[in-house]
Amino acid sequence: DVKVTQSSRYLVKRTGEKVFLECVQDMDHENMFWYRQDPGLGLRLIYFSYDVKMKEKGDIPEGYSVSREKKERFSLILESASTNQTSMYLCASTNFGTTTNEQYFGPGTRLTVT
Amino acid sequence: QKEVEQNSGPLSVPEGAIASLNCTYSDRGSQSFFWYRQYSGKSPELIMFIYSNGDKEDGRFTAQLNKASQYVSLLIRDSQPSDSATYLCAVHSPGYALNFGKGTSLLVTP
Repeated sequence: DVKVTQSSRYLVKRTGEKVFLECVQDMDHENMFWYRQDPGLGLRLIYFSYDVKMKEKGDIPEGYSVSREKKERFSLILESASTNQTSMYLCASTNFGTTTNEQYFGPGTRLTVT
Repeated sequence: QKEVEQNSGPLSVPEGAIASLNCTYSDRGSQSFFWYRQYSGKSPELIMFIYSNGDKEDGRFTAQLNKASQYVSLLIRDSQPSDSATYLCAVHSPGYALNFGKGTSLLVTP
C-alpha cells in the first residue's frame, strides 16, 4: 500500500512564525504536491514537484515556498505565517506518465495561525 | 483555466438506492479521471479511476466516462449510510497536476 505521511495532524502557530510542514512517501513516487483545502473553495494546489530539487508553482503559491532535497520528502514552508493561512494542508504523491497514475493523499495537517 | 465542475449538493438518497454523482470538465486533452471520497475532517481517499470511454465497475461503484461529452459520473449501488461523504472528481491533463472539482456532498438516509 502507498503510504504518505505528514509530520503533524494539528499545528497551532503565531502570526509571523516560520512554519515547516513535512511530507514523506514510501512508494518511490516522482511527483509530489501540496494543497490547501478550505470550506467552499475546494482543494487548491500550492506547489508541486516533478523531481528532486525541482518545483513548480500551483494556483496559490504566494506566501509559501517548498523544498525537495530527497525524492521521498517534500516540505512546505510558510516564511511568515498569517491568519489567512489557517487551513487544512494536504500532501499527495503519484507517478504521472505510468499506466496507473493515481494520486494518494497524506492524512492532512490542520494548521491554525493565531 | 481548466475547469472541473460538480454540483455541490447535498444529494440525499435513501439507504439501498442508487446514488448518481456527476462531473464535467473543460479540457478535451484530459486523459485520466478519478473519484475520491472524503469524510469530514479526513483526507481524500481514491475509490475509482477510469481512462477509457464506457463503464468501469468495482463492487458497488461504477464509473462512467464519455469523452465526447466531457462528462464523468460515479454510481453507487445499494447506498449505505457509511457512503455519506463528499465525493471529489479529479481530472488529469498531461503535463499538469490533477485538477479537482469542489465536490458533491452525499447523504444516505436510513
